[in-house]
Amino acid sequence: DGGITQSPKYLFRKEGQNVTLSCEQNLNHDAMYWYRQDPGQGLRLIYYSQIVNDFQKGDIAEGYSVSREKKESFPLTVTSAQKNPTAFYLCASSLTGLNTEAFFGQGTRLTVV
Amino acid sequence: DAKTTQPPSMDCAEGRAANLPCNHSTISGNEYVYWYRQIHSQGPQYIIHGLKNNETNEMASLIITEDRKSSTLILPHATLRDTAVYYCIVRVARLSTGNQFYFGTGTSLTVIP
Repeated sequence: DGGITQSPKYLFRKEGQNVTLSCEQNLNHDAMYWYRQDPGQGLRLIYYSQIVNDFQKGDIAEGYSVSREKKESFPLTVTSAQKNPTAFYLCASSLTGLNTEAFFGQGTRLTVV
Repeated sequence: DAKTTQPPSMDCAEGRAANLPCNHSTISGNEYVYWYRQIHSQGPQYIIHGLKNNETNEMASLIITEDRKSSTLILPHATLRDTAVYYCIVRVARLSTGNQFYFGTGTSLTVIP
């Protein structure tokens, strides 16, 4: 089945540690996105990538880093510089035209203690 | 940027039509309006999108005003499973950085038995 997979679903880390969230898609989509969602809030864009080996900062990129070495994969690293890392993280992918929908993974809930 | 404004919450009786409004007064001519919904702690699910004309699919109908400054998502016969947060999104096109989806805080729809 085609789709977008995030792993793990739940992740716990100690404060000060970097952590990498996985996002893989087999939809042959060029564009991929990372969003953050806090309780009762909408989605805020962290990073996005329109093509392999290229990515752009979204509205809240500080404290995060990404890579796009393969079309299928867009991992997100939450660094120790991120002041409030506990959140629900969502990955999405889409074709690059304006008339195409984005498909979302089921999210990773990160808790930093 | 073309951002959206939605009421924070709405109720709808089961079996009745749910009409969810959205304002996007700064939308540009080539930017599409998308609707997604999110059930608690899951990834957003695509519902429908459109540019100028009204659209209908098996899930919902989308009515876009002639001036494109607002739209309405219609769920024709709401069921309890339609209880979710509904996001109206404008996909922003930029020559320099490609296309992005901008999410607001959405409308929390509660379908009442």
